Amino acid sequence: TQLLEQSPQFLSIQEGENLTVYCNSSSVFSSLQWYRQEPGEGPVLLVTVVTGGEVKKLKRLTFQFGDARKDSSLHITAAQPGDTGLYLCAGPRWGQNFVFGPGTRLSVLP
Amino acid sequence: GAVVSQHPSWVICKSGTSVKIECRSLDFQATTMFWYRQFPKQSLMLMATSNEGSKATYEQGVEKDKFLINHASLTLSTLTVTSAHPEDSSFYICSARDGTITGELFFGEGSRLTVL
Repeated sequence: TQLLEQSPQFLSIQEGENLTVYCNSSSVFSSLQWYRQEPGEGPVLLVTVVTGGEVKKLKRLTFQFGDARKDSSLHITAAQPGDTGLYLCAGPRWGQNFVFGPGTRLSVLP
Repeated sequence: GAVVSQHPSWVICKSGTSVKIECRSLDFQATTMFWYRQFPKQSLMLMATSNEGSKATYEQGVEKDKFLINHASLTLSTLTVTSAHPEDSSFYICSARDGTITGELFFGEGSRLTVL
């Protein structure tokens, strides 16, 4: 069973601080995706990482895929209140489906 | 990125009635769509995989007679909550893969169902 774990589950920080969210598995994934979901809305795709060791940047967000393709991290620099939301990592499972991590709920206080 | 649209965004119904939620892929064809349920402050729970032209595949514990899924075309899947009860109140979300090599998953906006 391909399971994804995320840590921390909850994070509350002040505006301007940096943070890192982790996504881990005991299984190898061909790719991992990161989503952000705001209350009452569907998740929005942030990035897909495919190659082991890959680093992708999206403004203040830096995503990294582990060399063994079993883990990924999301680092946010100088967090802003607009970064508040539920961050989900997901990876393709057998067939067409994806498996999701439990999510990290981030709250950035002004 | 690809666009997936859900309708309605929110619906309130009386107990015992049925409610239909639509999920459309607007700029790509989706042979497979997915339906999720999300409880407050929790992650997504996959309910079923909707397959165009064939029966949906339901996850363990999901009542297929309760949650009817129809995938009549390559751009439309519907979820019907039959004989809804207050415990069916939830946030329902659909998604579809866009068919690229990485097969990225795109989500609809979600539909909040409240059963009185």
